[in-house]
Amino acid sequence: DAGVTQSPTHLIKTRGQQVTLRCSPKSGHDTVSWYQQALGQGPQFIFQYYEEEERQRGNFPDRFSGHQFPNYSSELNVNALLLGDSALYLCASSSGGQEQFFGPGTRLTVL
Amino acid sequence: QQPVQSPQAVILREGEDAVINCSSSKALYSVHWYRQKHGEAPVFLMILLKGGEQKGHEKISASFNEKKQQSSLYLTASQLSYSGTYFCGTELAQGAQKLVFGQGTRLTINP
Repeated sequence: DAGVTQSPTHLIKTRGQQVTLRCSPKSGHDTVSWYQQALGQGPQFIFQYYEEEERQRGNFPDRFSGHQFPNYSSELNVNALLLGDSALYLCASSSGGQEQFFGPGTRLTVL
Repeated sequence: QQPVQSPQAVILREGEDAVINCSSSKALYSVHWYRQKHGEAPVFLMILLKGGEQKGHEKISASFNEKKQQSSLYLTASQLSYSGTYFCGTELAQGAQKLVFGQGTRLTINP
């Protein structure tokens, strides 16, 4: 049983560019949440998708957007990248409001 | 509204015990505990629901004091594999699924 998978593993972009990160949830899970984790900090909630709709959103600007597909996989898009967007982006999946399982993350570096 | 974890860091010798605390200024529905090793994704340990429930998992257990809005994670007879950063994630309402994480507690276990 595959766990949560994310791609790519690492990504280097320059300021102003756009990036798309991908996540496949654990088998049987229908809810995907995205978190940003800066170095030495705890994960910060970006938003959550359920039934292909954004259900909740954290304190992140509109430059951060997402999508969920019918197979429950999800994408995180970030436009107009800033240096401060450099972080580990974590995807977590869950079902029925239970525990969330995290993927390995995508390390984004903005130069 | 970020929960406060204490201590920020602790160093133990193998076999010693540790307690990590997580306090919130808001009423909580649940507390989720994770361990993250350097460069890896957070790994789910356990979830505590309001009601003062205590849970155990081998030599790791946790409690949730609803009156104090505080959760404690207990690691007994620590093993080298317990090293890592421990995060508590708090959930304000049932099914909210939006976890607000503390800043983390770095645990180092030496032989």
